[in-house]
Amino acid sequence: GAVVSQHPSWVICKSGTSVKIECRSLDFQATTMFWYRQFPKQSLMLMATSNEGSKATYEQGVEKDKFLINHASLTLSTLTVTSAHPEDSSFYICSARDLRHHQPQHFGDGTRLSIL
Amino acid sequence: QQQVKQSPQSLIVQKGGISIINCAYENTAFDYFPWYQQFPGKGPALLIAIRPDVSEKKEGRFTISFNKSAKQFSLHIMDSQPGDSATYFCAARFHSSGSARQLTFGSGTQLTVLP
Repeated sequence: GAVVSQHPSWVICKSGTSVKIECRSLDFQATTMFWYRQFPKQSLMLMATSNEGSKATYEQGVEKDKFLINHASLTLSTLTVTSAHPEDSSFYICSARDLRHHQPQHFGDGTRLSIL
Repeated sequence: QQQVKQSPQSLIVQKGGISIINCAYENTAFDYFPWYQQFPGKGPALLIAIRPDVSEKKEGRFTISFNKSAKQFSLHIMDSQPGDSATYFCAARFHSSGSARQLTFGSGTQLTVLP
């Protein structure tokens, strides 16, 4: 089945640094990618949606200058958390879908981000 | 309002029993209702999904029951196993030609199946 690979799976860094998370669709072309944030024992909160070659659409309350999203190809999207602070610590999950073929939405295994 | 309400928050079932998780929605424009299973430290995995033109869909031990008039749908896990212990999320998506048709998730149900 379709696989979405997310890297890294876990990252710890100091406050003030920027962290980049990669999301790749391995066996399909993802016309649309989604980025979610999930706090412990809570549901997934959509942060932004990106279409290949276009600027991402951010949900209300999500700082686009803080969470930079790039979807440069049909198989790769990146989320960069800029100048990360402890409150940015969370579980970030990407998801991908091929809208052209009405495929289901597939999720990566998430990235655990811990900011010290 | 794009909201999906899920219950119960947690569920404990004996091995071999039936697990039932319920969801309700308000937006009648929703036209796709998937269920996801999530293990700790992993992303959600699609279990089963249904569209509103059918009232039930079964895949193995997993069944979705859909009640369009009541705007409710539920997941039934038959012969529940300890390996089914996970968090389950219902979701809904509405058809829109303009947007990317993102999923709206329920709050999740922590299922524990006792051996």
